[in-house]
Amino acid sequence: AQTVTQSQPEMSVQEAETVTLSCTYDTSESDYYLFWYKQPPSRQMILVIRQEAYKQQNATENRFSVNFQKAAKSFSLKISDSQLGDAAMYFCAYGNNDMRFGAGTRLTVKP
Amino acid sequence: DTGVSQDPRHKITKRGQNVTFRCDPISEHNRLYWYRQTLGQGPEFLTYFQNEAQLEKSRLLSDRFSAERPKGSFSTLEIQRTEQGDSAMYLCASSYGRNGEQYFGPGTRLTVT
Repeated sequence: AQTVTQSQPEMSVQEAETVTLSCTYDTSESDYYLFWYKQPPSRQMILVIRQEAYKQQNATENRFSVNFQKAAKSFSLKISDSQLGDAAMYFCAYGNNDMRFGAGTRLTVKP
Repeated sequence: DTGVSQDPRHKITKRGQNVTFRCDPISEHNRLYWYRQTLGQGPEFLTYFQNEAQLEKSRLLSDRFSAERPKGSFSTLEIQRTEQGDSAMYLCASSYGRNGEQYFGPGTRLTVT
């Protein structure tokens, strides 16, 4: 069974600084997708970024980028130039038909 | 289309009662997913549909839980004989195709007293 592990329950970053959230996963499949979702206090989940496992190039979306290490089964999220609006729970997820989520990392942004 | 909607947003029920939740996905999405999320945890997969066919069910989905998507559009999730352990947020999501981006609804918060 696929599992997703986020080892950082809470992280804090100063506004305008950079922060990296960690995620590891376990799977025996070769074709899958990885996602980072953001869940603000209003609790509606929003997709931040996605990565196809067959692509070697790391995905980037504006201030958000990932470091995908397939052999190590690692998928970290880097947030550059952090903004107050980035404060939320961040969930790493593994997708292959269904979706498996990690337990989440609560990110606090300090002004 | 304004996104995935769920009804009701909050439900308080007494232990032993049955409850039913509804999810309306984004209209062109053929896949619909149900998740359960407890406080401080990530969503746990329950089941998903492709059109009207229920393709996978988690072991979390006991025989007290049943989900339907009769016409491949909206879906319902019913919990029979609710237990206090069923208290959680129930999330619905929809997507187009396998591994398309999943769009989540606001959730239904269930409290079993």
